[in-house]
Amino acid sequence: LAKTTQPISMDSYEGQEVNITCSHNNIATNDYITWYQQFPSQGPRFIIQGYKTKVTNEVASLFIPADRKSSTLSLPRVSLSDTAVYYCLVGSNTGGFKTIFGAGTRLFVKA
Amino acid sequence: DSGVTQTPKHLITATGQRVTLRCSPRSGDLSVYWYQQSLDQGLQFLIQYYNGEERAKGNILERFSAQQFPDLHSELNLSSLELGDSALYFCASSAGRIANTGELFFGEGSRLTVL
Repeated sequence: LAKTTQPISMDSYEGQEVNITCSHNNIATNDYITWYQQFPSQGPRFIIQGYKTKVTNEVASLFIPADRKSSTLSLPRVSLSDTAVYYCLVGSNTGGFKTIFGAGTRLFVKA
Repeated sequence: DSGVTQTPKHLITATGQRVTLRCSPRSGDLSVYWYQQSLDQGLQFLIQYYNGEERAKGNILERFSAQQFPDLHSELNLSSLELGDSALYFCASSAGRIANTGELFFGEGSRLTVL
């Protein structure tokens, strides 16, 4: 089961690019890396998913190095509404599938 | 709107009681997941069902049980409730059996308060 490690919290200002890095040293060959965003009292929402190299969608980019032991979520030009908890998630199918969320990174965007 | 429906949204009950939380997955999704989130805590995976069968089990207490019905909706039963069971309970669904290659869609949660 791949365990993830993320910074507990980060601060940023509106308009800046934010990069949140997640470590997952024990990632398995078949695992994908997924990031979710959660606002208070709401269910998490999918942001982006990748396997290797770089993935980009309309809200974020995900950078994954060749060894896949870490990944970086990049949020371009954040706004106040991006204040949330961001979870890095690595799927595991060892011994039955379990979707384990780590503690997440609490991002606070200031004006 | 994720397409996942959870009821009730709020529930207040007393210690020792039993409650049932209900989840309707997105149309066509076969997997249902249950999570518990206590105040300012992360998401604790409880259990997953795929097409009616238990697929994976996390940190689910023996006082808790779940099932997925033929119409794919799921229920989480919490019994002998304790104060520490107060939390947000989320249900999520996905299309396949293994979510590491797909997206989890979360409901808005059921907030349980045990007094």
